[in-house]
Amino acid sequence: EIVLTQSPGTLSLSPGERATLSCRASQSVSSSYLAWYQQKPGQAPRLLIYGASSRATGIPDRFSGSGSGTDFTLTISRLEPEDFAVYYCQQYGSSQGTFGQGTKLEIK
Amino acid sequence: EVQLVQSGAEVKKPGESLKISCKGSGYSFTSYWIGWVRQMPGKGLEWMGIIYPGDSDTRYSPSFQGQVTISADKSISTAYLQWSSLKASDTAMYYCAREVTIFGADAFDIWGQGTMVTVSS
Repeated sequence: EIVLTQSPGTLSLSPGERATLSCRASQSVSSSYLAWYQQKPGQAPRLLIYGASSRATGIPDRFSGSGSGTDFTLTISRLEPEDFAVYYCQQYGSSQGTFGQGTKLEIK
Repeated sequence: EVQLVQSGAEVKKPGESLKISCKGSGYSFTSYWIGWVRQMPGKGLEWMGIIYPGDSDTRYSPSFQGQVTISADKSISTAYLQWSSLKASDTAMYYCAREVTIFGADAFDIWGQGTMVTVSS
């Protein structure tokens, strides 16, 4: 089973700043099967990025994804108040999926 | 509108059985995989397994294999997650989600609202 490790666990930033979230896999992941989700309290997760770098429908262009192999990154270029939430990466390969443990993005 | 609507919250005792549901609408239910995701209180997301309603092909995470059963009834566009004997540690929010393939990339694009399962004596 592929293990995804996200860092940092918590990221404290101010609105307007840039956020960089990391997701590292225990073995190589096809970029086609790497996605990022946002979850706010009391809500279901929302798809942000699929295929490592493609934005889902309706996702603002301040969100971007990059990476390949074992290292992937979600970048939020300029934080808006509504971006403070928990972010998860997820992979699906060899008929098994896993999520990272999440990064909490909090207001500084 | 494409949506997944899950059954309501459940409160059960240890040892009881349970089947929760996820009904799809607004799209061809048999053409997309449906996954189940667990979120224990205050914790992260866990991928449990996935089913293709078109032919009931099912895959499980090793962590959940043998602990739950995933099924689907394509005649009523509904997927299920069931337990034969609940434990207190099954207390969690359970989400179903549709897996979409976009230009060869897979992801969960539509999520149900979640079903809270509480197991307590």
